[in-house]
Amino acid sequence: AQTVTQSQPEMSVQEAETVTLSCTYDTSESNYYLFWYKQPPSRQMILVIRQEAYKQQNATENRFSVNFQKAAKSFSLKISDSQLGDTAMYFCAFITSGTYKYIFGTGTRLKVLA
Amino acid sequence: DTEVTQTPKHLVMGMTNKKSLKCEQHMGHRAMYWYKQKAKKPPELMFVYSYEKLSINESVPSRFSPECPNSSLLNLHLHALQPEDSALYLCASSRTGNTEAFFGQGTRLTVV
Repeated sequence: AQTVTQSQPEMSVQEAETVTLSCTYDTSESNYYLFWYKQPPSRQMILVIRQEAYKQQNATENRFSVNFQKAAKSFSLKISDSQLGDTAMYFCAFITSGTYKYIFGTGTRLKVLA
Repeated sequence: DTEVTQTPKHLVMGMTNKKSLKCEQHMGHRAMYWYKQKAKKPPELMFVYSYEKLSINESVPSRFSPECPNSSLLNLHLHALQPEDSALYLCASSRTGNTEAFFGQGTRLTVV
């Protein structure tokens, strides 16, 4: 079975500081994609960053970057210079190529403190 | 345009009512999804349409009936729902089955 595990239900960080959210996954497939989504209180799921499993280079998107460790099946998200608007639920997600089934972790609720 | 539009944003319905949720995207995506999300939980997949054909039904009760009239529209018809069906219903679309999904803002459904 394919699973995604987020072991940190809640986290907090001071504004302007750096925080890392962890995610591990389990799959026997070799062709897959990983994502981090953000869901603020406004409810909409917003894509933060994506990573193709075949790419060794870690994805970066402005203040957001990932640490993708394929052998360890780990996909952590680093948020630099945290802003109040980063307060949200963050979901790690995984999809095997061509399956149309996104598998989500249980989420990490991040609160950025002023 | 990377927008998925869902209507209505809020819906309250009785257990004997019939209502429909609507979803629209104009990104040319050929896969569209319905998810159900309970508070503080991840989204749960309900249905997937690929090229306007139903490709995945996650054993959803028949009181939920999806419809894909064309490649841009996705409906979810609701009938005889139960209070436990109250949730946030999210629509999403993706270009293929291995690219990022784009989500709408959801419909907050309350069954009374």
